[in-house]
Amino acid sequence: AQSVSQHNHHVILSEAASLELGCNYSYGGTVNLFWYVQYPGQHLQLLLKYFSGDPLVKGIKGFEAEFIKSKFSFNLRKPSVQWSDTAEYFCAVTIYTGTASKLTFGTGTRLQVTL
Amino acid sequence: DAGVTQSPTHLIKTRGQQVTLRCSPKSGHDTVSWYQQALGQGPQFIFQYYEEEERQRGNFPDRFSGHQFPNYSSELNVNALLLGDSALYLCASSIWTGGTYEQYFGPGTRLTVT
Repeated sequence: AQSVSQHNHHVILSEAASLELGCNYSYGGTVNLFWYVQYPGQHLQLLLKYFSGDPLVKGIKGFEAEFIKSKFSFNLRKPSVQWSDTAEYFCAVTIYTGTASKLTFGTGTRLQVTL
Repeated sequence: DAGVTQSPTHLIKTRGQQVTLRCSPKSGHDTVSWYQQALGQGPQFIFQYYEEEERQRGNFPDRFSGHQFPNYSSELNVNALLLGDSALYLCASSIWTGGTYEQYFGPGTRLTVT
């Protein structure tokens, strides 16, 4: 069964600092990869996704992620964080079994951005 | 265009009771998935419904059951509630486009079992 590991549980950054959140998955086949964000009091929202093609994907709010197949990684990056980026970030992977799909999530990384 | 909606928002139940949670998918979506998110954890897949049939199931006991209606809305039922069932229950809807699914999440139902 596939699994997802997020190495950082709690990250504290000052505004304008650069961000990189790690994500590794364990599955040797074809996967689709996602980063979701959960702002305080809000529901899960899709930040970005990788299905195929260019391994560097750009998402909303200036976020990007790079899929490195050889490392089974899909790290999330942002060059300069803002206070409003304070949230919980979840990496997730999908493999398809026929037509069904389920998302397998990591345990999440809480990002706290200080002014 | 309304997104995924869930009801109720919060629910408090006693051990041993039964609960039903409801989900209306995003317009045009025909697939509904349910997830359980315990405090401090990532969401865990419970099951997925398509064309009123359970298509895939995660590692949850038979106490967890579901249903999908012809209008694609869905219910999650949990019988014989345990304290450990206290969690945020998330519904996600999706549709097959371009060779894959993209799941949209609702706000969740916070279930507290006392």
